[in-house]
Parts: sequence; structure tokens; C-alpha cells
Amino acid sequence: AQSVAQPEDQVNVAEGNPLTVKCTYSVSGNPYLFWYVQYPNRGLQFLLKYITGDNLVKGSYGFEAEFNKSQTSFHLKKPSALVSDSALYFCAVRDIYNTDKLIFGTGTRLQVFP
Amino acid sequence: DAGVIQSPRHEVTEMGQEVTLRCKPISGHDYLFWYRQTMMRGLELLIYFNNNVPIDDSGMPEDRFSAKMPNASFSTLKIQPSEPRDSAVYFCASSFLAGGGVRMSFGPGTRLTVL
Repeated sequence: AQSVAQPEDQVNVAEGNPLTVKCTYSVSGNPYLFWYVQYPNRGLQFLLKYITGDNLVKGSYGFEAEFNKSQTSFHLKKPSALVSDSALYFCAVRDIYNTDKLIFGTGTRLQVFP
Repeated sequence: DAGVIQSPRHEVTEMGQEVTLRCKPISGHDYLFWYRQTMMRGLELLIYFNNNVPIDDSGMPEDRFSAKMPNASFSTLKIQPSEPRDSAVYFCASSFLAGGGVRMSFGPGTRLTVL
């Protein structure tokens, strides 16, 4: 079955330190992968996507993600975390059986401490 | 652009009452999605429309749930009768095209509490 897994419910990092939010996927073929962010009391916002090409994808707010086919991972990264990055982050993959649909992970809460 | 608009933002009702959630997608978007978010189940796709036509309602939990899109600028999600287990945040999202390569725009959500 196709899915995405976010193994960490919460990630804590100090402001100014690099951050990584992990995502692994299970889907056959070439995956279309996404990251969305949800700030408190808000809807999800698109951060970045990977379809094809360069394995390092740059997105909004200084975030980037690295596609690794051999490890079936698509980890979200940022070189220097900000307190304002504290939010809930969702990884998603396009459903290969219905390409209109995205399959979301369970989300990882990022807490950046001053 | 005002983005995806949802109303009400908060709804508290009693078990057995009818609840109607509303959504106005971004103008020009031809796909509209309804999601439900709970702590236990995460983000679930309930139903989506393309050009006002329901395409996939396999995520609708049961017959108490229904959704309509009478025109390109308006959609409703109705629960009748409501139950406490329906308590969740309901999101509407829209996009131009869908699926691969396309970003969805989400509304702020409606927080539903059924007592």
C-alpha cells in the first residue's frame, strides 16, 4: 500500500540550529512528493514539491528538502531554525491510483526554542 | 486574492443537530477538496469535486455526511444528524488542476464541536 511515514511526532531544536523533519515514502514508480506546513489555527500551506530533476528542492521560508530514492526519503531541512518556524509539518505523496489525490503523513510538530 | 474562505470558523452544536459547513474556493480553481483533521486519524480526504462534479466520495464516513457544489464559487458539507465523534477541524482546499505538481490552497478550517 502506498503511504508516507513521519517517524517523529515532535522535533525540538534551538533557534539558529539546523533542523530536519523526516519523511519516508512507500509508493511504486516515481513519486511526486510534497511538504505542507500548518501554523496554529490556520490551514495548511504549501512549502515545496519534488516531481523530477534535482534531488535538492528549495521552497518557501528558506526550507529545502532532499529526495533520496535509495532510502525512499524526502526529509525537510533548514540551515538555521527560527522560533517562527514552530508549526505542524506534513509530508504528502501523490496517489498513484488516483493522481488527483494526495496522501498525507500524520504530521510532525516542530518546536523551535529561543 | 482572499484565498479559500470557510465559514463558520467555529461551530458548537448538540448531538442530533444538522451542521452545514461552507466553502468558497479561489476564483479560477477547478478542484475543491474537503478534508477532516483529528488527532487520532490525522488528515483525511472526505470528498473532492472537479468542475463542480463530485469525483470521489469514498472518504465520506457514512450517509450522515453529504457535500454539494452548486456552482464554481461555493460548496457545502453537511452532517445530519451530527454525533460527538464528528468533532474535528474540517478544511476546504482548492487548486487549479490537481495531484502531481500542483499546490493546493487550504482554507483556515472550521472547528466543529458536537456535544
